[in-house]
Amino acid sequence: EAQVTQNPRYLITVTGKKLTVTCSQNMNHEYMSWYRQDPGLGLRQIYYSMNVEVTDKGDVPEGYKVSRKEKRNFPLILESPSPNQTSLYFCASSWDRVLEAFFGQGTRLTVV
Amino acid sequence: GQNIDQPTEMTATEGAIVQINCTYQTSGFNGLFWYQQHAGEAPTFLSYNVLDGLEEKGRFSSFLSRSKGYSYLLLKELQMKDSASYLCAVSDSGGYNKLIFGAGTRLAVHP
Repeated sequence: EAQVTQNPRYLITVTGKKLTVTCSQNMNHEYMSWYRQDPGLGLRQIYYSMNVEVTDKGDVPEGYKVSRKEKRNFPLILESPSPNQTSLYFCASSWDRVLEAFFGQGTRLTVV
Repeated sequence: GQNIDQPTEMTATEGAIVQINCTYQTSGFNGLFWYQQHAGEAPTFLSYNVLDGLEEKGRFSSFLSRSKGYSYLLLKELQMKDSASYLCAVSDSGGYNKLIFGAGTRLAVHP
């Protein structure tokens, strides 16, 4: 089954404790992105990747890091999480920037 | 600047027709997407328009006017399961894979 898998689905952590949210897709897509979704603001792009070892900043990259060492995986790293990073995070992948994106099930992160 | 506007909330009756509007101002344009998102779930693709006109897909249709920076999603024969948020997103040609999303329209369908 074609899918984008994120882990964990839910995470509560403390300020400053490094964490990684994993994202994996099995469709051989070149394009992958991370978004955060906050009430009233919609989905905002954090980082995106056009292929292995090619990444770039989206609209809200501060406080986040990503890597793309393999085509299927695109982890999101929060080196020192802060409460304003409490949000619902989605990973997405697509064949091309103008084709439909497939989204993972989301990770609800709470930073206390 | 970049801006996508859509109504925050709408209500409609089961079996009726509803139109959700979206206006956009972006630096570039490579197409407009509509996604459906049920509460607590991932967005799922509904439609893509890159040329002016109407695209029909079953009960859902999407319209685009590039000169007016305007799109709408038309839902016919509404069902209770259509209660969800509908997200308008523009693919900005200024950057690879840059999708700019509106805040979404929460649609409530009642009997």
